[in-house]
Amino acid sequence: AQSVTQLGSHVSVSEGALVLLRCNYSSSVPPYLFWYVQYPNQGLQLLLKYTSAATLVKGINGFEAEFKKSETSFHLTKPSAHMSDAAEYFCAVSESGAGSYQLTFGKGTKLSVIP
Amino acid sequence: DAGVTQSPTHLIKTRGQHVTLRCSPISGHKSVSWYQQVLGQGPQFIFQYYEKEERGRGNFPDRFSARQFPNYSSELNVNALLLGDSALYLCASSGEDSYEQYFGPGTRLTVT
Repeated sequence: AQSVTQLGSHVSVSEGALVLLRCNYSSSVPPYLFWYVQYPNQGLQLLLKYTSAATLVKGINGFEAEFKKSETSFHLTKPSAHMSDAAEYFCAVSESGAGSYQLTFGKGTKLSVIP
Repeated sequence: DAGVTQSPTHLIKTRGQHVTLRCSPISGHKSVSWYQQVLGQGPQFIFQYYEKEERGRGNFPDRFSARQFPNYSSELNVNALLLGDSALYLCASSGEDSYEQYFGPGTRLTVT
């Protein structure tokens, strides 16, 4: 069984500061990992994905994440926060080779950006 | 290119009623998945269909059912609605053998 833990349901940063959103996963097989962003009253937009290639993954809007197998982590970072980054962020895992490509999501982290 | 589309956008139903939600995938995508997102939680997997066959089912009661049509669009049906079924229902599509899922805007269901 797979699971995702997102540490911190709410994170506040100042505009221009580093954004760090934490995600730890558990999976019995090599995982595929994803970060999605959700703006109010909208669906989910894929930010970036890890599918066993490079461990440092770059996504849209200046976000990146690093897969660390030893720590079972896939934290999301952005060097400088922008007001438009305020949203809810979800980490998700999918088990490779399982045949069913279902995603298991964390509970989400709401990011607030203070001007 | 159009993304994933869902209808209706919002829906209000009474306990005990039945509801049908619809989803059209991105052109060329053959797989559709359904997720339920309760307020304040992450999405939970309900079903996945590929080429009209059920590929996966989450831990939801039999009141939930789905199907996929020859044009790859999909319907999610929920019978005997409960207050706890109030949620945002998200549809996602993916290409053949792809783990990348693209989500629609969702249908907000309110059960009173």
